[in-house]
Amino acid sequence: DSGVTQTPKHLITATGQRVTLRCSPRSGDLSVYWYQQSLDQGLQFLIQYYNGEERAKGNILERFSAQQFPDLHSELNLSSLELGDSALYFCASSVGGGIRTDTQYFGPGTRLTVL
Amino acid sequence: EDQVTQSPEALRLQEGESSSLNCSYTVSGLRGLFWYRQDPGKGPEFLFTLYSAGEEKEKERLKATLTKKESFLHITAPKPEDSATYLCAVYILTGGGNKLTFGTGTQLKVEL
Repeated sequence: DSGVTQTPKHLITATGQRVTLRCSPRSGDLSVYWYQQSLDQGLQFLIQYYNGEERAKGNILERFSAQQFPDLHSELNLSSLELGDSALYFCASSVGGGIRTDTQYFGPGTRLTVL
Repeated sequence: EDQVTQSPEALRLQEGESSSLNCSYTVSGLRGLFWYRQDPGKGPEFLFTLYSAGEEKEKERLKATLTKKESFLHITAPKPEDSATYLCAVYILTGGGNKLTFGTGTQLKVEL
């Protein structure tokens, strides 16, 4: 158990809908990262937040947004969902903000299915 | 463009049959190379971080090494419980913030 928690574990929804995925980092970690893993793309970095501020951005679609709250938990919002958004979404956390190399610890993931 | 390539894509071993997995990279500004293990439907589990060429790290039956262009994950006398996908990732400095870029993984199956 990495100490990173994610809810829900599974999510099934329809095209055009909006969903929110939630992540709680390990105790003491200030950074939260979001990744998408699909069969044909592997693990793709979406976005990083450090202590409430956006720190780095990857290949995140405009339909997706994230935020980190004062208690350091994070939410990833996915809207106008398409079939291609079906994937595993992972959250990871680390102690620092990424200036120095930090180990990222991953949560168990949320499996999103868009029908 | 920064690239991380893992080979082979899949590997089948008999229990006790040692082998190596490869991770080659072409990146600028490498700040570290990570190895993770991932079981089906689970999150990646951290194994090792390597920072500079020549560095080696060991954990049970696994040993990771790093050169200027690639990393190897050596598996000695593997057991069925070592079956998993092994991912390598490079931590790089970018204009848009530092980030971890993953390879597509090597799927290892160890049979009795």
